[in-house]
Amino acid sequence: TQLLEQSPQFLSIQEGENLTVYCNSSSVFSSLQWYRQEPGEGPVLLVTVVTGGEVKKLKRLTFQFGDARKDSSLHITAAQPGDTGLYLCAGVLIDTNAGKSTFGDGTTLTVKP
Amino acid sequence: DAGVIQSPRHEVTEMGQEVTLRCKPISGHNSLFWYRQTMMRGLELLIYFNNNVPIDDSGMPEDRFSAKMPNASFSTLKIQPSEPRDSAVYFCASTTTGGRSPLHFGNGTRLTVT
Repeated sequence: TQLLEQSPQFLSIQEGENLTVYCNSSSVFSSLQWYRQEPGEGPVLLVTVVTGGEVKKLKRLTFQFGDARKDSSLHITAAQPGDTGLYLCAGVLIDTNAGKSTFGDGTTLTVKP
Repeated sequence: DAGVIQSPRHEVTEMGQEVTLRCKPISGHNSLFWYRQTMMRGLELLIYFNNNVPIDDSGMPEDRFSAKMPNASFSTLKIQPSEPRDSAVYFCASTTTGGRSPLHFGNGTRLTVT
């Protein structure tokens, strides 16, 4: 059983559309990160959320951490082809050695021009 | 800063051969992680080090896998003997100790075992 469940697994949309991807768990996290990975490269950090209910914005990307710190969402407004990639959420459990992140399986996003 | 540097970028080897993957973390980072990524299993943590000491190797799949960090600027992941099911992309990542510090990943080594 995956500790962090991401949905949807695949998403293909047209340029200009909005979308939301989800990262859910039954466990509580001290922090949660979102990464974006392009083919042939390693994941690159987009944002870290720490406080329950926290909302962070990064240009057209909006990240929310659930009140109970068990889930998170990523909303993209007016998606562009450059947003195409694998989006991964990763969390550090409350009672885990600091720095040990657990990753979800990711959402593969394709934005068509 | 050059970021996390991994070598080689690609490795093709025959079953039974020894494979050594290398990683140079970002200078000043004291935690280093080895991950394996496959389509079926996603990103899996294999082992991580704090201050050059292995802290958790519970993700290392078998005794065929071993990792070392002889100093703060170098780590190796060795597979001996290699098997076709070891084919994957292996990532090294580094960070500073602390649960909120993000991971900085290298560009990975794509390993193919035939």
